[in-house]
Amino acid sequence: QKEVEQNSGPLSVPEGAIASLNCTYSDRGSQSFFWYRQYSGKSPELIMSIYSNGDKEDGRFTAQLNKASQYVSLLIRDSQPSDSATYLCAVSVSGYALNFGKGTSLLVTP
Amino acid sequence: KAGVTQTPRYLIKTRGQQVTLSCSPISGHRSVSWYQQTPGQGLQFLFEYFSETQRNKGNFPGRFSGRQFSNSRSEMNVSTLELGDSALYLCASSLQDTYEQYFGPGTRLTVT
Repeated sequence: QKEVEQNSGPLSVPEGAIASLNCTYSDRGSQSFFWYRQYSGKSPELIMSIYSNGDKEDGRFTAQLNKASQYVSLLIRDSQPSDSATYLCAVSVSGYALNFGKGTSLLVTP
Repeated sequence: KAGVTQTPRYLIKTRGQQVTLSCSPISGHRSVSWYQQTPGQGLQFLFEYFSETQRNKGNFPGRFSGRQFSNSRSEMNVSTLELGDSALYLCASSLQDTYEQYFGPGTRLTVT
């Protein structure tokens, strides 16, 4: 079973700070990478997708991919209390079968 | 545009019974995937359907099965339920040629 690893947290950051979430994966053939946000009792919500090395920005979110290091990260700028949730990293080798990490719990304190 | 819908939202079954869960994808989405989420194992891929054909299957026993209809709606079935099948079952849909998946609200299955 190919692994997707995330620090379970909780990661605690003050309001307005940058939250940095990290994810490593074991399968070098991985092609597609995703970040999902999941609030307690809710289903995962897609935040970002990234397919090539480098940075991809969308509003306050930036996804970073380094395939050589098998590493993908998510930066959240100007963190808000409403960003408090579990962030799931998902990786696909091919097609639509996503392999998820266990998630990192983020707590943004006012 | 309406999101992914799943029915029922909650279900309580007894060990040994079978259950059928339903998923309607976002309009225009033809790929439907199913996942199981538990506190211990996290989110695990069950299977994926496109144009009524199963294209991918995860590492689950044969008691877990699914199908897709011509209108892209999908069902999954679990036979001979076990206590360990208690989980949140999530359906996700995707447009063809993109791997971005959008999840429905899930069906919470409790097996007693």
